[in-house]
Amino acid sequence: GDSVTQMEGPVTLSEEAFLTINCTYTATGYPSLFWYVQYPGEGLQLLLKATKADDKGSNKGFEATYRKETTSFHLEKGSVQVSDSAVYFCALSDRTGGYSTLTFGKGTMLLVSP
Amino acid sequence: DGGITQSPKYLFRKEGQNVTLSCEQNLNHDAMYWYRQDPGQGLRLIYYSHIVNDFQKGDIAEGYSVSREKKESFPLTVTSAQKNPTAFYLCASSMGQGSEQYFGPGTRLTVT
Repeated sequence: GDSVTQMEGPVTLSEEAFLTINCTYTATGYPSLFWYVQYPGEGLQLLLKATKADDKGSNKGFEATYRKETTSFHLEKGSVQVSDSAVYFCALSDRTGGYSTLTFGKGTMLLVSP
Repeated sequence: DGGITQSPKYLFRKEGQNVTLSCEQNLNHDAMYWYRQDPGQGLRLIYYSHIVNDFQKGDIAEGYSVSREKKESFPLTVTSAQKNPTAFYLCASSMGQGSEQYFGPGTRLTVT
């Protein structure tokens, strides 16, 4: 079945450092890929998405490129802020019997210190 | 404002009682989903529905039940058969196949 693997956290960075959170996937067919962010005690918010190979999703300084050859969708940001501290989830959307569902990674906690 | 509402935010129940979690959306989305989140385990799919009066089991449906009588509403009942009901429950909706899902704020259920 489909699966998503993310690097384990927490990832601890100083403000203005470069961020990479690795995400790899296994799926049949051609899934859409997503990054979601969750702040403490809240639901998930869509951060960015990519629907086909070589697409780059971007939002709020975050970027991720859909790499079919390496089955990866790594999240990057050039300069993190304290307000970026949250849990980040990589997910894929594939079809199962005509319906689409999301498969999530386990999440990576990011902690940014001033 | 369009969005997804879940109520209540915190819910406490005694073991052996059934409890129903509310989820309402005014986004006119066809599909709705229920997830369970436990520390260190990410999100796991409980049930989903892509059309009114139809729903499918997800990966961990045992001990849960749902209904979809209206497009806007997808309540989840946690029954006494669910062995470990204490968790954070998230509801989501989407336009349809392959599109992104939008999440509600969640309900934290504690059963003692």
